[in-house]
Amino acid sequence: DQQVKQNSPSLSVQEGRISILNCDYTNSMFDYFLWYKKYPAEGPTFLISISSIKDKNEDGRFTVFLNKSAKHLSLHIVPSQPGDSAVYFCAASGMRAAGNKLTFGGGTRVLVKP
Amino acid sequence: ETGVTQSPTHLIKTRGQQVTLRCSSQSGHNTVSWYQQALGQGPQFIFQYYREEENGRGNFPPRFSGLQFPNYSSELNVNALELDDSALYLCASSRDRAGYTFGSGTRLTVV
Repeated sequence: DQQVKQNSPSLSVQEGRISILNCDYTNSMFDYFLWYKKYPAEGPTFLISISSIKDKNEDGRFTVFLNKSAKHLSLHIVPSQPGDSAVYFCAASGMRAAGNKLTFGGGTRVLVKP
Repeated sequence: ETGVTQSPTHLIKTRGQQVTLRCSSQSGHNTVSWYQQALGQGPQFIFQYYREEENGRGNFPPRFSGLQFPNYSSELNVNALELDDSALYLCASSRDRAGYTFGSGTRLTVV
């Protein structure tokens, strides 16, 4: 039972254009959502998060949008840079989940072409 | 401020053996979580330790066990290794269950 899904396994985008990564969840108890970026041979690094009381959060080139009614969130990267090429994971947690554990999606591999 | 360090970075074990993976948490962090990432998948929660006690467990059998020490470092032990245990094992530390910092992981191969 996959509670967090990233339906696009890969995404290719031209440098300078927008990258849009999507994530869907099924568990209504999730109230906090995060995006992580992972390079090969490194652990995931935190990018940006959003609480369920908001529908948008921005941090520089990264914006996360949350649509609670659709149980959908997206990450926008504008403009995309070659250094953004990595695997991106969407993760969710709930205050009532044991220890605020993170439930991850399967990841989307992003390739930014120069 | 040191980050999360894991050891070893790689190891190969034979089916049926036991393995211990280690994690040093980031300075000031009192919570450690362990995740298993199989090839091509997202990380899956194994368990979490908060102030030396297990504080939540994912859908993993009892042969996956752990410890957290007074200095908040942690160990993950896996007994009776199976081929499907081959994966990247990630440790993440946080302060009071928020703001996880991940280590680079231990790549375990079971043959």
